[in-house]
Amino acid sequence: SQQGEEDPQALSIQEGENATMNCSYKTSINNLQWYRQNSGRGLVHLILIRSNEREKHSGRLRVTLDTSKKSSSLLITASRAADTASYFCATEGTYKYIFGTGTRLKVLA
Amino acid sequence: NAGVTQTPKFQVLKTGQSMTLQCAQDMNHNSMYWYRQDPGMGLRLIYYSASEGTTDKGEVPNGYNVSRLNKREFSLRLESAAPSQTSVYFCASSEATVLNNSPLHFGNGTRLTVT
Repeated sequence: SQQGEEDPQALSIQEGENATMNCSYKTSINNLQWYRQNSGRGLVHLILIRSNEREKHSGRLRVTLDTSKKSSSLLITASRAADTASYFCATEGTYKYIFGTGTRLKVLA
Repeated sequence: NAGVTQTPKFQVLKTGQSMTLQCAQDMNHNSMYWYRQDPGMGLRLIYYSASEGTTDKGEVPNGYNVSRLNKREFSLRLESAAPSQTSVYFCASSEATVLNNSPLHFGNGTRLTVT
């Protein structure tokens, strides 16, 4: 069963625009992580936000977490063609990380 | 550092054949994981190993076995391959032990086709 679900499933934007994707989850968490997957490659960790944090930044990435709504968002500012990838949220259970189905982002040059 | 290395990168099997997917990490991580990724399904956990000498079932363990050979290596075996096991298989590792907040490091996957 999926814990995190990303929204939208697919997103297409122009280079330079901001991209926002959302993740909703069902049960209480200690932390939530975001990953990127380029075509044909493994997932790469982007950012981890703990349940007692509301916002976190890393370069052009901004992640928010609203535990009352059980949701998180990932904002990529000033997007580049190289940001074209699938983005996944993951929530943890005991030893296990549960992934959503991902948002496919396409950045058009 | 190589990170997480998976072999082979590609494999085609006939129904009923067996094979072992190899995974090794050089980061001295405690936990290792096997996921499969199918279109529209996201990543689903097959088996994991929280530490050397222990393994546990994940969400979709049927048809698979695993071995945590040592701290570095975690292999996934298909005893009798079925077309439903056609997928991309990812190995991952993390420092996590008990409810630790640490990221996963992934290999680049094994693309398996069962005909």
